[in-house]
Amino acid sequence: IAGITQAPTSQILAAGRRMTLRCTQDMRHNAMYWYRQDLGLGLRLIHYSNTAGTTGKGEVPDGYSVSRANTDDFPLTLASAVPSQTSVYFCASRRLAGAQDTQYFGPGTRLTVL
Amino acid sequence: GQNIDQPTEMTATEGAIVQINCTYQTSGFNGLFWYQQHAGEAPTFLSYNVLDGLEEKGRFSSFLSRSKGYSYLLLKELQMKDSASYLCAVLNSNYQLIWGAGTKLIIKP
Repeated sequence: IAGITQAPTSQILAAGRRMTLRCTQDMRHNAMYWYRQDLGLGLRLIHYSNTAGTTGKGEVPDGYSVSRANTDDFPLTLASAVPSQTSVYFCASRRLAGAQDTQYFGPGTRLTVL
Repeated sequence: GQNIDQPTEMTATEGAIVQINCTYQTSGFNGLFWYQQHAGEAPTFLSYNVLDGLEEKGRFSSFLSRSKGYSYLLLKELQMKDSASYLCAVLNSNYQLIWGAGTKLIIKP
């Protein structure tokens, strides 16, 4: 089934630990995005990638890093997790970055940092 | 700055009609999206408007006025399954999506 997968579905993490959230899409979309969603704040962009090999910072990039080695995968890494990073994380993709294309979302990862 | 405003929460009755408003101020405009998000799930695409006017798609319609920086999502013949959050998002001149905080719609029998 075509779409976006994310792993893990949920995770409880101790503060200070390193964590990588995985995202894979099989739609051959060029652009990929990582958002966090917190109650009352809506979706906030963390990092994005317009095409394989390039990445950029979004609205709330501090404490997060990404890589885009190929078209399909866009992992998000928390180098040293803090409780304020407790959130639901959504990966998304779009066919082209500079076009009026619909953005599709993965199922999300619910992360709790204690 | 750029911002999208939507009501935080609305309540409506099953079978009725509800209109969810969205106003925006962004750096440029390349279209406006509406997404539906059920609790605990990912947002899913509902509609896209880039020209002024009303786009109808079954029970859902979306309206856009670019001069007023305004859109609304109209849901007719409400069903219990329509209980969800509705997210308004604008594609700005850099083709970045600017998201509203969402409107939680509660449907009562």
